[in-house]
Amino acid sequence: KQEVTQIPAALSVPEGENLVLNCSFTDSAIYNLQWFRQDPGKGLTSLLLIQSSQREQTSGRLNASLDKSSGRSTLYIAASQPGDSATYLCAVPGSGNTGKLIFGQGTTLQVKP
Amino acid sequence: DAGVIQSPRHEVTEMGQEVTLRCKPISGHDYLFWYRQTMMRGLELLIYFNNNVPIDDSGMPEDRFSAKMPNASFSTLKIQPSEPRDSAVYFCASSLGRTNTEAFFGQGTRLTVV
Repeated sequence: KQEVTQIPAALSVPEGENLVLNCSFTDSAIYNLQWFRQDPGKGLTSLLLIQSSQREQTSGRLNASLDKSSGRSTLYIAASQPGDSATYLCAVPGSGNTGKLIFGQGTTLQVKP
Repeated sequence: DAGVIQSPRHEVTEMGQEVTLRCKPISGHDYLFWYRQTMMRGLELLIYFNNNVPIDDSGMPEDRFSAKMPNASFSTLKIQPSEPRDSAVYFCASSLGRTNTEAFFGQGTRLTVV
């Protein structure tokens, strides 16, 4: 059964810092991994999708890496800004790649001005 | 495409009443998912459909919950009778397929049962 863990649960950093969010999953037989952002009271916004054949994916100041063999992914945020404050969730397909997504509990990030 | 559209955005109802949540997925997406989010349990998958057919409803908490997808552009999640512990944010999401699971979420319905 696929399980997803995100560490840390919460993170507070001063503006301008580079930071790394971690995601681990138990079943490495996945097609892809997706990172989402959720603002308070809002829905989930897809940030990055990494295919299993890729090792990393970049979008602006965001860089996501994937190491399937070790069951890990990281989301790197460069030069953090107060507007980056949100909850970040990673998700992978359930065991058997049936199409459904299993989510971690998320990392709540606060970037202080 | 306008993305996944959910209605209503907010719903307040009394315990025992029937509640119906609605979702319009992105056109062309074959998969539709219903999730529930609470502080205690995070995001939980309730049920998902492939080509309008329910595939896995093991996450539906009780018989009080039911979901339908009468066609490719519409799905409902019904709770009857509702209870205070059903209070949560309910999200609908859709994706293209089994090997392309990039999911797109609606804005959610915040349900409060008093």
